[in-house]
Amino acid sequence: GDSVTQMEGPVTLSEEAFLTINCTYTATGYPSLFWYVQYPGEGLQLLLKATKADDKGSNKGFEATYRKETTSFHLEKGSVQVSDSAVYFCALSRNSGGGSYIPTFGRGTSLIVHP
Amino acid sequence: NAGVTQTPKFRVLKTGQSMTLLCAQDMNHEYMYWYRQDPGMGLRLIHYSVGEGTTAKGEVPDGYNVSRLKKQNFLLGLESAAPSQTSVYFCASSLAGSSYEQYFGPGTRLTVT
Repeated sequence: GDSVTQMEGPVTLSEEAFLTINCTYTATGYPSLFWYVQYPGEGLQLLLKATKADDKGSNKGFEATYRKETTSFHLEKGSVQVSDSAVYFCALSRNSGGGSYIPTFGRGTSLIVHP
Repeated sequence: NAGVTQTPKFRVLKTGQSMTLLCAQDMNHEYMYWYRQDPGMGLRLIHYSVGEGTTAKGEVPDGYNVSRLKKQNFLLGLESAAPSQTSVYFCASSLAGSSYEQYFGPGTRLTVT
């Protein structure tokens, strides 16, 4: 079945450091790929997405490129802020048959940014 | 536009009690989902619905029932609560199609003693 693997956390960085959170996936066909962010005490919200190979999603300084050859969708940000401290989830969605599109999530990666 | 709302926000139950969690969305989404989130386990899908009047089991459906009588509402029921059901429950909705993202509610924190 489909699966999403994220790097284990927590990831701890100083403010203005470069961030990479790795995400790889296993799925047949051509899934869409997503990054969601969950701030403390809140539900998940979409951070960015890419729907086909070589697409780059970007939002709030975060970027991720859909790499079909390496089945990856790594999240990057050039300079993190304390306010970026949150849990980040990588996810995929595809047509799993019968018109059903049930997403598969990774386990989440906690990011802690210190001043 | 309220998005996805969940009721209640917090609840404490005793073992064996029952309750219903309500999820409502005002975006005319076809798909709705119930997840539970536990430390170190990520999100686990309990049940989902692809349209009014239809429901299906997810990864961890045991001990839960759901109903989708109206397109905008998705109810999650616990008939006889157990301490193992202590968790944070999230509802989500989306349009049909692999390129569409999910919209999540703020969550319900449930404690079963």
